[in-house]
Amino acid sequence: QSVLTQPPSASGTLGQRVTISCSGSDSNLGTNYVYWYQQFPGTAPKLLLFRNNQRPSGVPERFGGSKSGTSASLVIRGLQSEDEAIYYCSSWDDSLSGRGVFGGGTKLTVL
Amino acid sequence: EVQLLESGGGLVKPGGSLRLSCAASGFAFSDYALAWVRQAPGKGLEWVSTIAGSGRDAYYAASVKGRFTISRDNSKNTVYLLMNSLGVEDTAVFYCARDRNRVRWDGMDVWGQGTTVIVSS
Repeated sequence: QSVLTQPPSASGTLGQRVTISCSGSDSNLGTNYVYWYQQFPGTAPKLLLFRNNQRPSGVPERFGGSKSGTSASLVIRGLQSEDEAIYYCSSWDDSLSGRGVFGGGTKLTVL
Repeated sequence: EVQLLESGGGLVKPGGSLRLSCAASGFAFSDYALAWVRQAPGKGLEWVSTIAGSGRDAYYAASVKGRFTISRDNSKNTVYLLMNSLGVEDTAVFYCARDRNRVRWDGMDVWGQGTTVIVSS
């Protein structure tokens, strides 16, 4: 069971807006930033957002993020077929002497 | 080009040991924390360990603490993961990743291709 909770699946049609949620606790999302990763089958993950809503160079502007309290969201606007992937949220957890934590991942299907 | 290249994976019997290596190139190695993240077959990502750029501070997941040791040689631009007392639950693809922060956890922006560890009798 993952420390951060994500829905196992999400879907949307081309051009639609999709939101993926990530729920945590005071010791992780309540205190620290959320990070989002995108992973395609058989490949390494890619950093999609850092520090809640910052995009690394090369990540399209249609990927956005937010955090409030112990919950966070990844928003994809103008969904495209190439967005079909698994998305993971992540954070630092201050419990147990400090540890990195991930959500279980959300498989996004573009219908 | 910024790159991480893992090696050292393979088939090992339960109770055995293995040392993974991750060779870095294209960036100032000691300026960044490095992490190991693993992914069991068909499962999600699991953080394993992070070591600060200086090598002085290291952090471990509870599932590997006491069995795994992360280290780095900044003169060789290489980070290592020594894994002892391996169990079948350690079977996974192990990724080496660069953190944006010198100390720890500010987003892993560079990833290796992964090296596969299979623990089986």
